[in-house]
Amino acid sequence: GDSVTQMEGPVTLSEEAFLTINCTYTATGYPSLFWYVQYPGEGLQLLLKATKADDKGSNKGFEATYRKETTSFHLEKGSVQVSDSAVYFCALSTLTGGGNKLTFGTGTQLKVEL
Amino acid sequence: GAVVSQHPSWVICKSGTSVKIECRSLDFQATTMFWYRQFPKQSLMLMATSNEGSKATYEQGVEKDKFLINHASLTLSTLTVTSAHPEDSSFYICSASGGPSLNQPQHFGDGTRLSIL
Repeated sequence: GDSVTQMEGPVTLSEEAFLTINCTYTATGYPSLFWYVQYPGEGLQLLLKATKADDKGSNKGFEATYRKETTSFHLEKGSVQVSDSAVYFCALSTLTGGGNKLTFGTGTQLKVEL
Repeated sequence: GAVVSQHPSWVICKSGTSVKIECRSLDFQATTMFWYRQFPKQSLMLMATSNEGSKATYEQGVEKDKFLINHASLTLSTLTVTSAHPEDSSFYICSASGGPSLNQPQHFGDGTRLSIL
């Protein structure tokens, strides 16, 4: 079945550091890939997405490139801020998985310190 | 746009009572709604998918008689936890989309923290 693997957290960085959160996936068919962010006590917000190979999703300084050859969708940001502290979820959806039904990774907590 | 409102945000109740959680799409028609459960520091576990006007499809291992889902209109779905017990305490999150296709993203509510004493 479909699955998403994320690097374990927490990831602790100093403000303005470079961020990478790794995400790899296994899927039947051709998935769409997503990154969601969850701030404490809140639901999930879509951060960015990519729907086909080599697409780059970007938003708020974050970006991720859909790499079919390595089945990866790593999240990056050049300079993190304290306000980026949250839990980040990588996810995928496929037509065979039920349309827009999402399969989530376990989440990676990011802590950014001054 | 694409705002989903979930209510209540926090509920504490005694063991044995039933609790209803509402999920509303405020500015779009939600043909499909999803209900998730999230344990502390863990990922979201899909409980069920509901399409407006039809019965919900439950994931394996989720008790349909325990977690009643109603999706009677294009803007409202409810999850009722019946005869709740402490092990039902969790963070419940709903999401809504305009349909089941890949081009219809899920929009999430802010979640409901349920604590059963």
